[in-house]
Amino acid sequence: ETGVTQTPRHLVMGMTNKKSLKCEQHLGHNAMYWYKQSAKKPLELMFVYNFKEQTENNSVPSRFSPECPNSSHLFLHLHTLQPEDSALYLCASSQRGPTGEQYFGPGTRLTVT
Amino acid sequence: SQKIEQNSEALNIQEGKTATLTCNYTNYSPAYLQWYRQDPGRGPVFLLLIRENEKEKRKERLKVTFDTTLKQSLFHITASQPADSATYLCALASGGSYIPTFGRGTSLIVHP
Repeated sequence: ETGVTQTPRHLVMGMTNKKSLKCEQHLGHNAMYWYKQSAKKPLELMFVYNFKEQTENNSVPSRFSPECPNSSHLFLHLHTLQPEDSALYLCASSQRGPTGEQYFGPGTRLTVT
Repeated sequence: SQKIEQNSEALNIQEGKTATLTCNYTNYSPAYLQWYRQDPGRGPVFLLLIRENEKEKRKERLKVTFDTTLKQSLFHITASQPADSATYLCALASGGSYIPTFGRGTSLIVHP
């Protein structure tokens, strides 16, 4: 295992529901990321947190709301999602250094009905 | 615009052969390039990193080359095994950025 855990692994939610995805890294890294991966598409960077501060928000709709209470934990709060938001949501962490190899969690498979 | 291109068609090879995957890029000046492996429904796993001033990097059965003139990296798996079947992603980052940009990935299928 990579040292990055994500819960839940699978989530089915209706368009009016509110849910949260959780990520925890045990690697002592100082940067954490949320990515969206849809079928046949490259990884889409959503948010970046560096030392708990959000440094990137790649024009993500406001129905996705990240939270980073400390450098080991990252949440993605979801509300009023659309069916096209169904995807694999991946959390990653890295050291904020020049080479930045990323360590990914197993992902949450989200289905919006 | 910046672009990272990996072959969208799956690469099918026979067990024991060398698999070669390609990553081409345009409008980038990458400081380094990374390769990841991703299995279905799982997160990518970091494999190798090569810097702009390095031509080649090896790790066990893996070899990566980086040609900044051709704007291309090749990823080789020697003596391939069915367990090597997966999608392989390349990722590039420019100098000063610690955030890589990922390609779409190429699926490798190794037949026994």
